[in-house]
Amino acid sequence: GNSVTQMEGPVTLSEEAFLTINCTYTATGYPSLFWYVQYPGEGLQLLLKATKADDKGSNKGFEATYRKETTSFHLEKGSVQVSDSAVYFCALSVDSNYQLIWGAGTKLIIKP
Amino acid sequence: DGGITQSPKYLFRKEGQNVTLSCEQNLNHDAMYWYRQDPGQGLRLIYYSQIVNDFQKGDIAEGYSVSREKKESFPLTVTSAQKNPTAFYLCATKRTGLYEQFFGPGTRLTVL
Repeated sequence: GNSVTQMEGPVTLSEEAFLTINCTYTATGYPSLFWYVQYPGEGLQLLLKATKADDKGSNKGFEATYRKETTSFHLEKGSVQVSDSAVYFCALSVDSNYQLIWGAGTKLIIKP
Repeated sequence: DGGITQSPKYLFRKEGQNVTLSCEQNLNHDAMYWYRQDPGQGLRLIYYSQIVNDFQKGDIAEGYSVSREKKESFPLTVTSAQKNPTAFYLCATKRTGLYEQFFGPGTRLTVL
C-alpha cells in the first residue's frame, strides 16, 4: 500500500543551522509529493510540492527534491530561524481523486 | 476574501451532548475533508466529500456524521457515541484535478 515515513521529532537546532527533515515513501504509480507546515494552534499550510521525479519544490528558503531512485523527498533549509519552529508534515497523492497519505509529522524547535 | 472558515475556534461541550462544527469555503472547490488531530499526533481522516450530496467515510468515522447540502459547506457533527471527542478538528478543501488540499484554521473541541 501507499505510505509515508518521516523522521521522528522533535528536531532541535540553533538559529542559522542547516535543516534536513527526512521523508521516504512507498507508493504505486507516480505520486505527487508535498510538504505542509503547521504553526502552533493553526491549520496546515502547503509549503512546497513536486509532481514528478527530479522536480525541486521550493518556498520561503525551504527546498525538497523528488528522488524516485531513493523514494525520498527530504526537506532542507540552509539557515533556520526561530520563526521556523513548527510541525512539518510530508504527504503524497497518487491520483487527483485520491486522498492525501500523511506522514506522522516532525516537530522542529529552533533555539535563539 | 477567499478562504476556508471554521467556527468557532474553541468549543466546549459537556459529555453526552452532540456538537456540530462548521466549515465554510468560498474557493469553489468541489472536495472537502474533515481530519482529527490529537496532541503530538498526525492527521486522521474522518469523512470526505467529492461532490454535493455525496460523502464517504474515512479511517475513523465512528461517532461522527456529516452532510453536504451545499458546495460551500461541510458541517461535522460529533455525536455522543464518539468515545474520545476532545481533539483539534481540521477542515480541508481540494480543487478538482489538483492534488493538494487547503486547510482551515481548525476548531479545538474540549468535552468536559
